[in-house]
Amino acid sequence: NAGVTQTPKFQVLKTGQSMTLQCAQDMNHEYMSWYRQDPGMGLRLIHYSVGAGITDQGEVPNGYNVSRSTTEDFPLRLLSAAPSQTSVYFCASSYSGWETQYFGPGTRLLVL
Amino acid sequence: KQEVTQIPAALSVPEGENLVLNCSFTDSAIYNLQWFRQDPGKGLTSLLLIQSSQREQTSGRLNASLDKSSGRSTLYIAASQPGDSATYLCAVFDGSSNTGKLIFGQGTTLQVKP
Repeated sequence: NAGVTQTPKFQVLKTGQSMTLQCAQDMNHEYMSWYRQDPGMGLRLIHYSVGAGITDQGEVPNGYNVSRSTTEDFPLRLLSAAPSQTSVYFCASSYSGWETQYFGPGTRLLVL
Repeated sequence: KQEVTQIPAALSVPEGENLVLNCSFTDSAIYNLQWFRQDPGKGLTSLLLIQSSQREQTSGRLNASLDKSSGRSTLYIAASQPGDSATYLCAVFDGSSNTGKLIFGQGTTLQVKP
């Protein structure tokens, strides 16, 4: 199993650009989520999904969109990047959301 | 609102010492609690999951305990090694929501000196 994979590892964007952060898992997990990690703020939940076709907002959803068309993939879209979105983004998955959660290696995003 | 605190923020010990990392949470209505390890510039590696009905969980040199009534969890590392140097994060599953949301502490950065 590759576990949870994320691409790209690092990205530089200009303000106003859009991009998609990719996340995939091969463990047949129903639950997937996105977190951002910022110094002094810790990790905060952006969006989550309890299964294909079902998504919902977390703690800090503004400026981000998600969709879940397959069990395996859960992409995170930045609609119009802002410097405040400079962060490290982690994708996580688990069977139901209440069991052990497995995190990907992260995507470092710098918005200039 | 659930808050998770980890003390100390940083810890430096000589190799071979047994050590305890602390995690406290303000609302005892948690579902489960998970301990992670994060190496610099890397993702989070799951160490242990303690279910709300459990008191402790062990994996190798690691032992995690949970006391919901007092809002505390501890991670005990036996016979520490330089390879244990990392940031350790405690996260509670938010029992007040149906989201599987994890609420993280700020972490304890551990340095084990050879």
